[in-house]
Amino acid sequence: KAGVTQTPRYLIKTRGQQVTLSCSPISGHRSVSWYQQTPGQGLQFLFEYFSETQRNKGNFPGRFSGRQFSNSRSEMNVSTLELGDSALYLCASSPGWQETQYFGPGTRLLVL
Amino acid sequence: QKEVEQNSGPLSVPEGAIASLNCTYSDRGSQSFFWYRQYSGKSPELIMFIYSNGDKEDGRFTAQLNKASQYVSLLIRDSQPSDSATYLCAVKPPNTDKLIFGTGTRLQVFP
Repeated sequence: KAGVTQTPRYLIKTRGQQVTLSCSPISGHRSVSWYQQTPGQGLQFLFEYFSETQRNKGNFPGRFSGRQFSNSRSEMNVSTLELGDSALYLCASSPGWQETQYFGPGTRLLVL
Repeated sequence: QKEVEQNSGPLSVPEGAIASLNCTYSDRGSQSFFWYRQYSGKSPELIMFIYSNGDKEDGRFTAQLNKASQYVSLLIRDSQPSDSATYLCAVKPPNTDKLIFGTGTRLQVFP
């Protein structure tokens, strides 16, 4: 079974731009969560989706948003990029609510 | 107090030794606990999960959970240089699917 896939893998943007990251969960998985990883803050939870509904949101500004489609694929969007948004963005999927999460390879975003 | 705490290390052990990694958490209601391994430049990889008090063994890895003391540990027996990585402890608070991660412990296994 194929793992979690994320596109693109690397991205360079400039301040003020916006970006959309995509995540395809493991086949059959219905829950998708997003995390941001930086050297200073570690892994921090962004949001989680289950059956197209956002179930929980982390402590990030409104510039960070996401959605989940009927096929469980998910996207996250960051608007008005800031230098501090440079990070590894990780998507994790699980079969359902309260089950083990498996991470994708991540999207490395650099904001200049 | 951080929600999940780990010693950042590095923890250095010789090849063949037992590596012991520890983690404490603050939310007494937490029910699910996970250990992930992360190699430099890669994404976290699940090693083990544990839900019940006691020990859970999988090959060279043993996870230990003590809910009364609010700590989780991971033992790696017969450590190998390929085990050198950052080990992340993650806790799932009640009624949520989000994971709260510790900052990770860097393990170095030297030949």
